Amino acid sequence: DIQMTQSPSSLSASVGDRVTITCRASQGISNYLAWYQQKPGKVPKLLIYAASTLQSGVPSRFSGSGSGTDFTLTISSLQPEDVATYYCQKYNSASWTFGQGTKVEIK
Amino acid sequence: QLQLQESGPGLVKPSETLSLTCTVSGGSISSSSYYWGWIRQPPGKGLEWIGSIYYSGSTYYNPSLKSRVTISVDTSKNQFSLKLSSVTAADTAVYYCARHKYQLPQHFDYWGQGTLVTVSS
Repeated sequence: DIQMTQSPSSLSASVGDRVTITCRASQGISNYLAWYQQKPGKVPKLLIYAASTLQSGVPSRFSGSGSGTDFTLTISSLQPEDVATYYCQKYNSASWTFGQGTKVEIK
Repeated sequence: QLQLQESGPGLVKPSETLSLTCTVSGGSISSSSYYWGWIRQPPGKGLEWIGSIYYSGSTYYNPSLKSRVTISVDTSKNQFSLKLSSVTAADTAVYYCARHKYQLPQHFDYWGQGTLVTVSS
């Protein structure tokens, strides 16, 4: 089965910083990738699908890129409300696999 | 507005079967456009897809859980259900139900609030 590996596992950045999270698939998955945000004690929220399409209502400071095996989620200017764990997820070959998550904190 | 709500026992004994139901409101589970899935999250850990079902009863399961999982659908009640057999403490988790499209892209766009199931004697 295809494995999804996120890096880093956690990061601390200042408000206003540009933050980048990487997700790597063990095999090519085209653009069949989504990103979710999960705030503490809350339900995961869809941010991006098809690797780079922003879900309706999600702030434009979030963006996604990549195709094949390497993908990135970028927060262009980190805000206090962005403190959360972020998960990538692939969907292909009748299998939906999540990355292990990246915890984002404010420095 | 589509809503999903999980229900079922919050405590299950080891070796027994965990049973949960997801009730869908604000939309039809019989829509040809969507699959309905289960995802779980052990305390303090990441998300794990368990399986997905189409209104016709067609299913996909996570290979790591396949031998213990059964997902079924009841279109008359607009519900789908999860059964996980021979549970151990490692199955303690928040269980979410969610929806994804039948066609690509197949991301999960609507989620239930989740229900904590603890496996303990």
